[in-house]
Amino acid sequence: DIQMTQSPSSLSASVGDRVTITCRASQSISSSLNWYQQKSEKAPKLLIYTASTLESGVPSRFSGSGSGTDFILTISSLQPEDFATYYCQQSYSTPDTFGGGTKVEIK
Amino acid sequence: QVQLVQSGAEVKKPGASVKVSCKASGYTFTNYYMHWVRQAPGQGLEWMGRINPKSGGATYAQKFQGRVAMTRDTSISVVYMELSSLGSDDTAIYYCARGPTGVVAATLGYWGQGTLVSVSS
Repeated sequence: DIQMTQSPSSLSASVGDRVTITCRASQSISSSLNWYQQKSEKAPKLLIYTASTLESGVPSRFSGSGSGTDFILTISSLQPEDFATYYCQQSYSTPDTFGGGTKVEIK
Repeated sequence: QVQLVQSGAEVKKPGASVKVSCKASGYTFTNYYMHWVRQAPGQGLEWMGRINPKSGGATYAQKFQGRVAMTRDTSISVVYMELSSLGSDDTAIYYCARGPTGVVAATLGYWGQGTLVSVSS
């Protein structure tokens, strides 16, 4: 199975801050990387797919980059509604594994 | 609009089985794989498997092989996930989620509301 490692596991930030979250795959997954946002154990919401494609309706302050084994989710200017947990997930091979999550908290 | 509506919360005893349903609407049911993902309390997301609603064929994560079964009823656009031999570590919220059209990849753009399954003696 492909292991997905996110860092950090949590971070504190202020409204307006630029936030970056890193995800590393245990082997190359090309660009088959998705990012999800989850609030208070509601159903996750797809933010970005194929590493850098913004899902319809997702604000442009979210962006994704990377390929191969290393990926980054960036929030350019953190908004109050962005405080949540973020998960990466590889869809390159079965099982489609998730990272452990990054909790973004208010500083 | 696409909707996935899951069955209600369940309380089960250790060793029992649970069957969770997920009713789809707003799209052609047989054109999209359906996946199941679970989340234990305070924990991350875990992919369990997927079903092809057209063929009925399913693929499971090795961890669940032998005690999970994903089925579907195309006449009512419902997929089911049955998990047997429940233990306390199966206490979790179980989600169905739809993949993109015609491919197996779990890029999950639509999710059900989740079903809490509690396992306790």
